[in-house]
Amino acid sequence: DVKVTQSSRYLVKRTGEKVFLECVQDMDHENMFWYRQDPGLGLRLIYFSYDVKMKEKGDIPEGYSVSREKKERFSLILESASTNQTSMYLCASSLDRDSNQPQHFGDGTRLSIL
Amino acid sequence: AQKITQTQPGMFVQEKEAVTLDCTYDTSDPSYGLFWYKQPSSGEMIFLIYQGSYDQQNATEGRYSLNFQKARKSANLVISASQLGDSAMYFCAMRQWGSGYSTLTFGKGTMLLVSP
Repeated sequence: DVKVTQSSRYLVKRTGEKVFLECVQDMDHENMFWYRQDPGLGLRLIYFSYDVKMKEKGDIPEGYSVSREKKERFSLILESASTNQTSMYLCASSLDRDSNQPQHFGDGTRLSIL
Repeated sequence: AQKITQTQPGMFVQEKEAVTLDCTYDTSDPSYGLFWYKQPSSGEMIFLIYQGSYDQQNATEGRYSLNFQKARKSANLVISASQLGDSAMYFCAMRQWGSGYSTLTFGKGTMLLVSP
């Protein structure tokens, strides 16, 4: 089975801090994704990567950056955390662009910015 | 722009009954894929079922089936013989292709509550 592991289930940080959310997958997937989930809004794509050192903006990239130095690891960075970034963050991976295989998700990180 | 609409914010069903969760989509691409995910209160997203736009038959996976009506652009999830463990949030999503990658666009979800 595919395993996508997010470093923290719960995280509390202060406004202005630099925050790192880490995600690791163990199935040699090409693609990795970061979403945020808010009540009534569903999942919204922040950034994704389809290869090492490659990144693409999703629908809501403002206030975030990402890093993919190794194929198995995709990091989401909040450069200067703000209270409106309090949310559930979900990482996912998928095999390749042409596959009908689904995206596999981690358990999520509930981030609170105080 | 591609769009997914789930019009039911919440649904109630009694145990052992069947339930249909609605999903409509909007795309001008002839090639696309539709996914359904389940999210229990614990938070993890669980893949349930997939339907490709060129698939001739409706997808089925155990108690889950997809009522795919291409002309109406709908891909409703049917859960037969509901169980208490089916209580969760359900998301419909559509795959779209870019240049060298593909992404998913999600609907806002439907909360399903199964009562004894």
